[in-house]
Amino acid sequence: EVQLVESGGGLVQPGGSLRLSCVVSGFTFSPYWMIWVRQAPGKGLEWVASIKPDGSEKYYVNSVNGRFTISRDNVRSSLHLQMNSLRAEDTAVYFCARAGLPWAFDLWGRGTMVTVSS
Amino acid sequence: ETVLTQSPATLSFSPGERATLSCRATQSVSGHLAWYQQRPGHAPRLVIYEASNRATGIPARFSGSGSGADFTLTISSLEPEDFAVYYCQQGGSSFGQGTRLEIK
Repeated sequence: EVQLVESGGGLVQPGGSLRLSCVVSGFTFSPYWMIWVRQAPGKGLEWVASIKPDGSEKYYVNSVNGRFTISRDNVRSSLHLQMNSLRAEDTAVYFCARAGLPWAFDLWGRGTMVTVSS
Repeated sequence: ETVLTQSPATLSFSPGERATLSCRATQSVSGHLAWYQQRPGHAPRLVIYEASNRATGIPARFSGSGSGADFTLTISSLEPEDFAVYYCQQGGSSFGQGTRLEIK
C-alpha cells in the first residue's frame, strides 16, 4: 500500500523551531520530486517547498525562504522540513506530496498540524 | 510570480447538474495546470493534470480544458461526493484560492 506519513507537528512558540518528517512506503522514493504544501485553518492550499530527486535543487515560497529548509534521505525514503524562526502565520496543516505526474502532485499524506502561539 | 484567480468562490448546484469552474492566471502557464478536489478533513486529491488529463481513478464526468492563462474544470453530472472545494495549481507551485461546490 502506498503511504506518505507526516510527523513532527505540534505547538511551538513564535521564534521557535520544528522539524517535520514524511516517511513514504509502497513506491520507490528516489526518482520523484517531493513537495511540502500547507493549509492554514479554514484557508486554501499554499505550496511551501519542492526538492529535486537527488536533492540538488530546492525551491521555496517567498514567505519561508531563509527560514525553512527542505531535505530528503533517499536511503530512508524520507522527506524533511526544518522550520526555524516560526511565526504565527506559519500555523497550518503541513502535507507532504509526491510530484508523480508532470507539474502535479499525485500522492498526498494526511498532514501534520503546526501551531505557532505563545 | 504567477497568480491564479478562481471564480466564483462558491457555486451551488443540485445533483445531476453540470458544473463549470474557472481558473485564470496572470500570465501563460504553458498548459501546466492541475486541479485538485478537497473534501472536509481530507488531503487534496489530484483530479486533472496538464490541463486536460484525468488522474488515475477519476471518473469520466470530470474534464479539464483550456490553454494559455484560462482554464476550466467541468463536472458533467454532479454526484453527491463531488461537492467539495476545488483548487487549481500552476507549474507545480502556486494554487488558486479555491471554489467551493455546495449543494443547492
